[in-house]
Amino acid sequence: DVKVTQSSRYLVKRTGEKVFLECVQDMDHENMFWYRQDPGLGLRLIYFSYDVKMKEKGDIPEGYSVSREKKERFSLILESASTNQTSMYLCASSLSTGGQNTIYFGEGSWLTVV
Amino acid sequence: GENVEQHPSTLSVQEGDSAVIKCTYSDSASNYFPWYKQELGKGPQLIIDIRSNVGEKKDQRIAVTLNKTAKHFSLHITETQPEDSAVYFCAATLMNTGFQKLVFGTGTRLLVSP
Repeated sequence: DVKVTQSSRYLVKRTGEKVFLECVQDMDHENMFWYRQDPGLGLRLIYFSYDVKMKEKGDIPEGYSVSREKKERFSLILESASTNQTSMYLCASSLSTGGQNTIYFGEGSWLTVV
Repeated sequence: GENVEQHPSTLSVQEGDSAVIKCTYSDSASNYFPWYKQELGKGPQLIIDIRSNVGEKKDQRIAVTLNKTAKHFSLHITETQPEDSAVYFCAATLMNTGFQKLVFGTGTRLLVSP
């Protein structure tokens, strides 16, 4: 089975802190994604990557950056956390850029910024 | 860009009844429409998908229909069971310079009462 692992399930951080959310997938997928999930807003794409060291902005990239130094690992970085970034963050991966390929999600990371 | 609308936001049914969730999309180029189920505390999991060259697809108690002309697609769950209770998300692909990224609906919370 495909496994997308988000190492931190629950985090509480202070305003202004730098936050790292880590994600690892074990299926050699080319594509990796970071989504944010908020009630009533569904899943919104923050950033995605289709190859090592490649990254593309999604729909809501402001306040976030990403890093993909290895194929299996995709990190989301909040340079200076703010309270409006309190949310659940979902990492996902898929096989190729051909489209119509299943996107597999991790279990999510709940971030509270106080 | 692509916009996906999903209705209803909440749906309560009795065990054994059918449940229908509807989505509309705006980009006529979209060609892949997955449905995800998210149980409490977990990440979304793909339950069924349909491609634009097919009008209907069924998998046991779950079926999805697609009307390309009207740009809407629906999830049908028959003989609902309490374990069907979850949040369901529809999604559609957005053709974007050769890389397809999913746009999600805002989710439907389904509650099946015994």
